Amino acid sequence: LAKTTQPISMDSYEGQEVNITCSHNNIATNDYITWYQQFPSQGPRFIIQGYKTKVTNEVASLFIPADRKSSTLSLPRVSLSDTAVYYCLVASSGYSTLTFGKGTMLLVSP
Amino acid sequence: DVKVTQSSRYLVKRTGEKVFLECVQDMDHENMFWYRQDPGLGLRLIYFSYDVKMKEKGDIPEGYSVSREKKERFSLILESASTNQTSMYLCASSRSAGGFYGHNEQFFGPGTRLTVL
Repeated sequence: LAKTTQPISMDSYEGQEVNITCSHNNIATNDYITWYQQFPSQGPRFIIQGYKTKVTNEVASLFIPADRKSSTLSLPRVSLSDTAVYYCLVASSGYSTLTFGKGTMLLVSP
Repeated sequence: DVKVTQSSRYLVKRTGEKVFLECVQDMDHENMFWYRQDPGLGLRLIYFSYDVKMKEKGDIPEGYSVSREKKERFSLILESASTNQTSMYLCASSRSAGGFYGHNEQFFGPGTRLTVL
């Protein structure tokens, strides 16, 4: 089973780009990488998902190297409202893999 | 707007009590999940269900059971609550298209904070 490792916390300032990396050394061929964001007193919500290379949407980018043993969530020009916990999830079709990381607490300061 | 609701935001129970946590989704999703969330441990999967009356164990099923009698409702049961089950419990749902796709976007409820005294 794929295990995921993320930094416990990160600090940034408004307007900076933030990159959060998740390691998943045992990722399987059918596994996808998904990132979720969680604010206090709320459930996590989906940000972005990828399988390989680079994916970009209106809020973030996801970089996945060719070996897929890690992935990097990139948040451009963060604001105070991006302060949250970010979770990496490795999951596959079928029942074999559904593993959340322990989360990265991102604190954005003025 | 899609919605997953959980029966209580806060719950206090005593050791040995039987506890029911209810989750309802209005998106006609096939898959439903129960997680617990603890500081420093992140989200851990307890059970999931891919269809009515069907269930699969997650990573930490011990001390829990589940019930899914209707598609929209998924219940988590603590047969005899213990203090180490004090936690935040999160329910989620996701769609399937002809099979179980663990990577499909999950929609989470707001959580139930359970305290067992």
